[in-house]
Amino acid sequence: AQTVTQSQPEMSVQEAETVTLSCTYDTSESDYYLFWYKQPPSRQMILVIRQEAYKQQNATENRFSVNFQKAAKSFSLKISDSQLGDAAMYFCAYFRGGSQGNLIFGKGTKLSVKP
Amino acid sequence: DAGVIQSPRHEVTEMGQEVTLRCKPISGHDYLFWYRQTMMRGLELLIYFNNNVPIDDSGMPEDRFSAKMPNASFSTLKIQPSEPRDSAVYFCASSLYRSGQPQHFGDGTRLSIL
Repeated sequence: AQTVTQSQPEMSVQEAETVTLSCTYDTSESDYYLFWYKQPPSRQMILVIRQEAYKQQNATENRFSVNFQKAAKSFSLKISDSQLGDAAMYFCAYFRGGSQGNLIFGKGTKLSVKP
Repeated sequence: DAGVIQSPRHEVTEMGQEVTLRCKPISGHDYLFWYRQTMMRGLELLIYFNNNVPIDDSGMPEDRFSAKMPNASFSTLKIQPSEPRDSAVYFCASSLYRSGQPQHFGDGTRLSIL
């Protein structure tokens, strides 16, 4: 069974600095997708970024980028120029390609941003 | 475009009462998912539908939980009778039928059973 592990329950970053959130996953599949979702205190689940496993190029969305290491089964999220509004829970999620299945979520990392 | 709409946003009720949570997916989305979020267990999938048909309900904790999707624009999750341990945030999400398409979440319903 696939699993997703986020080893950092909490992280802190100074405003305008860069922070990296870690995520590892376990799968025997070759076709899959990875996601990062953000959950602010308002509890919305907001899609941050998406990565296809067959693409070697790391996905980027403005200040958010990933470091996707397929062989190591690692999918970290880098937030550059951190802003106060980035404070939230961040969830890493896995989706098996070609399936009609569900997202498998990690336990989340709580990110605090200090002014 | 409107996102996934859930109601109510908050629900407080007494143990033993019936609870109905509602969800309107994004128009055109083929898949609908119900998740439950608790501190102890994180985000768990309860059930999901494809074209209004339940595909996998293995995450539904007990027979007290039931879900329906009578049409493409509406789904309900019902708990009867409710218990304090059902207290959680319940999310509905929808997605398009194309592998790897992201799921879009509603704002969730915070359920408190007293």
